[in-house]
Amino acid sequence: DIQMTQSPSSLSASVGDRVTITCRASQSISHYLNWYQQKPGNAPKLLIHGASRLQSGVSSRFSGSGSGTDFTLTISSLQPEDFATYFCHQTYSTPFFTFGPGTKVDIK
Amino acid sequence: QLQLQESGPGLVKPSETLSLTCTVSGDSMTNNNYYWGWIRQPPGKGLEWIGSVYTGGSTYYNPSLKSRVTISVDTSKNQFSLELTSVTAADTAVYFCDFWSGFHITWGQGTLVTVSS
Repeated sequence: DIQMTQSPSSLSASVGDRVTITCRASQSISHYLNWYQQKPGNAPKLLIHGASRLQSGVSSRFSGSGSGTDFTLTISSLQPEDFATYFCHQTYSTPFFTFGPGTKVDIK
Repeated sequence: QLQLQESGPGLVKPSETLSLTCTVSGDSMTNNNYYWGWIRQPPGKGLEWIGSVYTGGSTYYNPSLKSRVTISVDTSKNQFSLELTSVTAADTAVYFCDFWSGFHITWGQGTLVTVSS
């Protein structure tokens, strides 16, 4: 099965900072990579699908890039509502999904 | 717009069977050729895909759970269900039902199931 890793596992940042989270797949998954944001007590919310496509209604400060095995989620200017945990999700082997372990973004 | 709602016991004893149901509203399951499934998240941890059932009835399970999992669909009730046998404390988690429509997962709100005597 396809293993997903993320780095860092957590980070502390300030409002206005540029934040970058990396996700790596154990084999090539082309562009079949989604990013979710999750806040405590809630289901994950889709931010990016197809590695770089912004989900409708999501702020343009979120962007995704990458293909193959290496992917990046970037928040261009961190806002208070962005403090959350972020997961990557490979959909290459649908329906045998796997997720990254998550990156928790908290306030510095 | 399809919506999902989990239901079932919030407390299960060790060695017993965890049973959850997901009710689909907004449209008939038979009108949508989707993968309907379950994902869980232990407290403070990451997401684990449990398995899925296609509208036509084919099932797919996480190899690490396959020996204990059954996912079934009842289109007459617009529901699908999860059974996980021989549970232990390690199965304590928020269980989300979901469907995959082709490019992203749509999630239920999740339900916490605690395994404890």
